[in-house]
Amino acid sequence: DIVMTQTPLSSPVTLGQPASISCRSSQSLVHSDGNTYLSWLQQRPGQPPRLLIYKISNRLSGVPDRFSGSGAGTEFTLKISRVEAEDVGVYYCMQSTHFPRTFGQGTRVEIK
Amino acid sequence: QVQLMQSGAEVKKPGASVKVSCKASGYTFTNYAVHWVRQAPGQSLEWMAWIDPANGNTRYSQHFQGRVTTTRDTSASTAYMDLSSLTSEDTAVYYCGRATSSGSYDYWGQGTLVTVSS
Repeated sequence: DIVMTQTPLSSPVTLGQPASISCRSSQSLVHSDGNTYLSWLQQRPGQPPRLLIYKISNRLSGVPDRFSGSGAGTEFTLKISRVEAEDVGVYYCMQSTHFPRTFGQGTRVEIK
Repeated sequence: QVQLMQSGAEVKKPGASVKVSCKASGYTFTNYAVHWVRQAPGQSLEWMAWIDPANGNTRYSQHFQGRVTTTRDTSASTAYMDLSSLTSEDTAVYYCGRATSSGSYDYWGQGTLVTVSS
């Protein structure tokens, strides 16, 4: 199975300041079709996960542009340019290139 | 609007089976795969299974050693997930998710809490 490793596991951030989460996969996530199926999900307390970004850097419709994704191969990053109170929650990276699909351990974003 | 509505919470005894349903609305059910993912208390997400509602093709995580089965009823726009031989380690919230062609899950069910306890 592909292991997805996120760092940090916890990120206390001041409102209005940036946050960055890294995700590393144990194998390349480049599919044979040339795409890289790496997504980022947000989970607020007591809610199901919510898709933010797919294929490394594509924001789902309705996702604020303060969220951005980047990376390639095995190294990926989610950035929040200016953290707002509603961004509190746990963020997961997920790979859909290989079966079984696998997720990172999660990074908790909280306000200082 | 797209919705995935899951069945209600369940309490099961060890050794029993549970069946969770996921009713889709607001889109053509057979156009998107449905995946099943679970989350144990305080833990990350774990992928379980996938079904293509158009033809019934499935794929399963080997971690469940044949205990999980997913089916669908296209007339009811509903996918189902059966998990057998339950143990306390199966206590979790079970989610269904709609898979897009980009491999991500753009819509999720609200989750179904399954508690396994003697």
